[in-house]
Amino acid sequence: QQQVKQSPQSLIVQKGGISIINCAYENTAFDYFPWYQQFPGKGPALLIAIRPDVSEKKEGRFTISFNKSAKQFSLHIMDSQPGDSATYFCAAGGETSGSRLTFGEGTQLTVNP
Amino acid sequence: NAGVTQTPKFRVLKTGQSMTLLCAQDMNHEYMYWYRQDPGMGLRLIHYSVGEGTTAKGEVPDGYNVSRLKKQNFLLGLESAAPSQTSVYFCASSYLVGTDTQYFGPGTRLTVL
Repeated sequence: QQQVKQSPQSLIVQKGGISIINCAYENTAFDYFPWYQQFPGKGPALLIAIRPDVSEKKEGRFTISFNKSAKQFSLHIMDSQPGDSATYFCAAGGETSGSRLTFGEGTQLTVNP
Repeated sequence: NAGVTQTPKFRVLKTGQSMTLLCAQDMNHEYMYWYRQDPGMGLRLIHYSVGEGTTAKGEVPDGYNVSRLKKQNFLLGLESAAPSQTSVYFCASSYLVGTDTQYFGPGTRLTVL
């Protein structure tokens, strides 16, 4: 049972454009929503994370927007660069999930020069 | 610090063979995880451990066994490999619960013929 749905599966953006990846979750007990970035041949690495007490979190060119009522959150990459080309995973977790995170299916982002 | 390391990096097995994947971390983390990554399915949790001597089932545990005899090591075993277990396997660790940053290893690419 996939509790976190991610879209799109793949995304192509021109350099300087905005990349937007969306995720939706089902479990209202989730209270931690990280995004992981994975380059080819490497393991995922934490990019940015948000908790539901805020609606937005920004770190450099990366922003998470969170809509608790809609049970959705999204990653925005401003001024996208070719070096941002990677696979991005959203995830969700919380106290009721114990030690576990539930990951989305992943989005392969390509930023063309 | 080496972080999270995985051995081996690549392996090819024949159906029915067995093998053990080794994960080691030098960050003194309590929690360790084994995931498998398949195209379009994201990261799925196989087994995890909340401390030395403990293990628990994740989302897709069938066909796998694990052991955590030492805090720094987490072993994943395949007793009788099947083609459906062809995947990339990632180990991760975190200091505290799943709502803490998970640090991933570089992965093991396993092919079962």
